[in-house]
Amino acid sequence: GAVVSQHPSWVICKSGTSVKIECRSLDFQATTMFWYRQFPKQSLMLMATSNEGSKATYEQGVEKDKFLINHASLTLSTLTVTSAHPEDSSFYICSASPLASSYEQYFGPGTRLTVT
Amino acid sequence: DAKTTQPPSMDCAEGRAANLPCNHSTISGNEYVYWYRQIHSQGPQYIIHGLKNNETNEMASLIITEDRKSSTLILPHATLRDTAVYYCIALYNNNDMRFGAGTRLTVKP
Repeated sequence: GAVVSQHPSWVICKSGTSVKIECRSLDFQATTMFWYRQFPKQSLMLMATSNEGSKATYEQGVEKDKFLINHASLTLSTLTVTSAHPEDSSFYICSASPLASSYEQYFGPGTRLTVT
Repeated sequence: DAKTTQPPSMDCAEGRAANLPCNHSTISGNEYVYWYRQIHSQGPQYIIHGLKNNETNEMASLIITEDRKSSTLILPHATLRDTAVYYCIALYNNNDMRFGAGTRLTVKP
């Protein structure tokens, strides 16, 4: 089956620094990838839709200048959390839909970010 | 996308069938019903999806009522590893997928 990877799987950073999270579709191409955030004991919350070669679409309430998304190729999207603060500590998950099949969406394993 | 409603939690005995219900009374004719599950601290895992016919794969069966206002995910022989949060999502053409609270299934020995 299709595989989506994320790197790193976990990261600890100091307040005020920036952190980049990579999302890769390993064996398929995807024009669209999605970024989610999940706080403890809560459901996934969609943050933004990442489109290859164009600007990401952010959900209401998500700061686009704080969560920078770059989708430079059909297999890679990156999420950069800029000037991270402790309240940004969360589980970040990406997903991607294969070009060949618009009815399936595959999720990465997630990245746990802890800001100290 | 249509809103779905699921019970917050369910228990199931190991080896028995787990039947997880989902209501999607406002689903439109071109929206599919998807089921995903999330085991603690992992990304969601695709289980099955369907439009109006019942579907079965190696993981589960999906029963959709004739009026499409509700569906049931069936895990035929639940194991301890099936303990997870199960999400039912109504979605058109794999657009941005929005998760509700899901059902926390606990399989007990």
